[in-house]
Amino acid sequence: QSVLTQPPSVSGAPGQRVTISCTGSSSNIGAGHDVHWYQQLPGTAPKLLIYGNNNRPSGVPDRFSVSKSGTSASLAITGLQAEDEADYYCQSSDSSLNWVFGGGTKLTVL
Amino acid sequence: EVQLVESGGGLVQPGGSLRLSCAASGFPFSTYEMNWVRQAPGKGLEWVSYISGSGSIIYYADSVKGRFTISRDNAKNSLSLQMNSLRVEDAAVYYCARHRHYYTSGTYQYFFDYWGQGTLVTVSS
Repeated sequence: QSVLTQPPSVSGAPGQRVTISCTGSSSNIGAGHDVHWYQQLPGTAPKLLIYGNNNRPSGVPDRFSVSKSGTSASLAITGLQAEDEADYYCQSSDSSLNWVFGGGTKLTVL
Repeated sequence: EVQLVESGGGLVQPGGSLRLSCAASGFPFSTYEMNWVRQAPGKGLEWVSYISGSGSIIYYADSVKGRFTISRDNAKNSLSLQMNSLRVEDAAVYYCARHRHYYTSGTYQYFFDYWGQGTLVTVSS
């Protein structure tokens, strides 16, 4: 199992807001390491979505935002669109394991 | 435009070897740290190995330590992963990924900003 824990799936209707949680421990998120998020569309490679405190690469809409508290972080997607249907992964650094990922969350747009 | 193109995947028997390559372009390759990240079929992402820009610092995940060797040729803008003693559980799509970092909260923060399209490694008898 993954070092960072994500829900296997979430869903929402177009226009709604969904959140994806990412829970770690005192050796990664809780140790002050930032959480970064990746989007993987079906059949494609992962793509950087957000890094650190709401830093978005060019082209990523501000419908995507993140928050972090203690040993957990969350990705929020507002104004859900069909094109947002994908797998989402959180990632952080770990004091003993270098770099770790969550198990991924499949977002279904109803 | 940053491009990372992996090659070298294929079918190999358990215990066999395979060498993956990643051709980089569109950025000053020698100044960036690079990684291999893999994804088993239907599974999540797993970091495999890291190499600094000069090649002098290397890290491996425990699952591949002693069997895999990462290297780079900065003159050829190329990253490699030599995989020996392959196991069934090594079967995955292998991605090369560029590393970026920044300093905040008293520590360096690392993430992967560009990924290749991946190359599939199948380990089966």
